[in-house]
Amino acid sequence: AQSVTQLDSQVPVFEEAPVELRCNYSSSVSVYLFWYVQYPNQGLQLLLKYLSGSTLVKGINGFEAEFNKSQTSFHLRKPSVHISDTAEYFCAVSENYGGSQGNLIFGKGTKLSVKP
Amino acid sequence: NAGVTQTPKFQVLKTGQSMTLQCAQDMNHEYMSWYRQDPGMGLRLIHYSVGAGITDQGEVPNGYNVSRSTTEDFPLRLLSAAPSQTSVYFCASSYSASRNTIYFGEGSWLTVV
Repeated sequence: AQSVTQLDSQVPVFEEAPVELRCNYSSSVSVYLFWYVQYPNQGLQLLLKYLSGSTLVKGINGFEAEFNKSQTSFHLRKPSVHISDTAEYFCAVSENYGGSQGNLIFGKGTKLSVKP
Repeated sequence: NAGVTQTPKFQVLKTGQSMTLQCAQDMNHEYMSWYRQDPGMGLRLIHYSVGAGITDQGEVPNGYNVSRSTTEDFPLRLLSAAPSQTSVYFCASSYSASRNTIYFGEGSWLTVV
């Protein structure tokens, strides 16, 4: 069975500092990988996704993530954060085959708090 | 283009009452699903559908029913609400159950007292 572990439940950081949100996954088959962002009282917005090809994926709002198959990780990074990046971030995986490809398994989320 | 629309946004139910959360999408997406979000738990899949007339259970299906009579609509029914169903519910859709981007609705906040 698949699982996703987000290693930090909360990450406080100062504005303009770099940030890394860590995500590890477990699966017996190949997977697609996603990062979503959720602002307070809103739905989820896709930041970026890895389907195949280059292991470095660039997304919206200056975020990027790197797929590391040997370490089964998909960490999210941003070189310089803004106050507006304060939100909860979710890592998710789906299996790369069959009719369940649309079914996402989510991590428990990481709350990023950017301080001035 | 409205995307994925969920109604109602907020609802308070008494234990034992029934209700339906509505979800509609106008993108001609084949795949639709329902998730619930609880504090510290992330999102968990309740039910999903890969097309009209086809539904299947996700990780936490107990206490919920779904049907998919049209491509556009995917309602979630709570037959007899329980306090454990207090949660935020998200509907999602994508063009197909494959590599395509999954779009989420704005969420429905449900409280069962």
